Amino acid sequence: DQQVKQNSPSLSVQEGRISILNCDYTNSMFDYFLWYKKYPAEGPTFLISISSIKDKNEDGRFTVFLNKSAKHLSLHIVPSQPGDSAVYFCAASNTGNQFYFGTGTSLTVIP
Amino acid sequence: GAVVSQHPSWVICKSGTSVKIECRSLDFQATTMFWYRQFPKQSLMLMATSNEGSKATYEQGVEKDKFLINHASLTLSTLTVTSAHPEDSSFYICSARRGGTEAFFGQGTRLTVV
Repeated sequence: DQQVKQNSPSLSVQEGRISILNCDYTNSMFDYFLWYKKYPAEGPTFLISISSIKDKNEDGRFTVFLNKSAKHLSLHIVPSQPGDSAVYFCAASNTGNQFYFGTGTSLTVIP
Repeated sequence: GAVVSQHPSWVICKSGTSVKIECRSLDFQATTMFWYRQFPKQSLMLMATSNEGSKATYEQGVEKDKFLINHASLTLSTLTVTSAHPEDSSFYICSARRGGTEAFFGQGTRLTVV
């Protein structure tokens, strides 16, 4: 049973525009969420996180929004750059336990 | 940020042989390490949780006798794929947790069994 879902397998965005990647989860016990970026044949690289006590966390061009009532989080990248092209995974955990990953969204930023 | 080193990054082995993958936390002590496996175009799937000095906890469906995990020190965990077969070919990634809930990932190991 997939507890974390990313329903869009791919996304294409023009350079300079906003990229919005979405993630839904089913387990209301999750209280910590992360976004990872992954290039082919490499391990994931941590991007940004948010705990359930917040609804927004911003770091440079990356902003994560959390809607607990909808069990939904999103990652906004603005402005998008060609180097942002990668697969993005969202992950969720309940404190002290393992992370559950979504299936990933492949982002392509077109120059 | 914290560094987790995984070695080797790429390995080819013959069917029936065993392969060991190392995961090291270079600048912090990791009481807990996680091993994941990723099939093409699929999510990272947790295989097992490794705690220093104790037996690993395996996820349902993961054969503990096939995927041997050892967490002998606070900076090193190893995954040994025993009697590897072509269906074990995959991308294996470890992560190490440094207190709190944030985890740091190794660069992954691409295993190809021929």
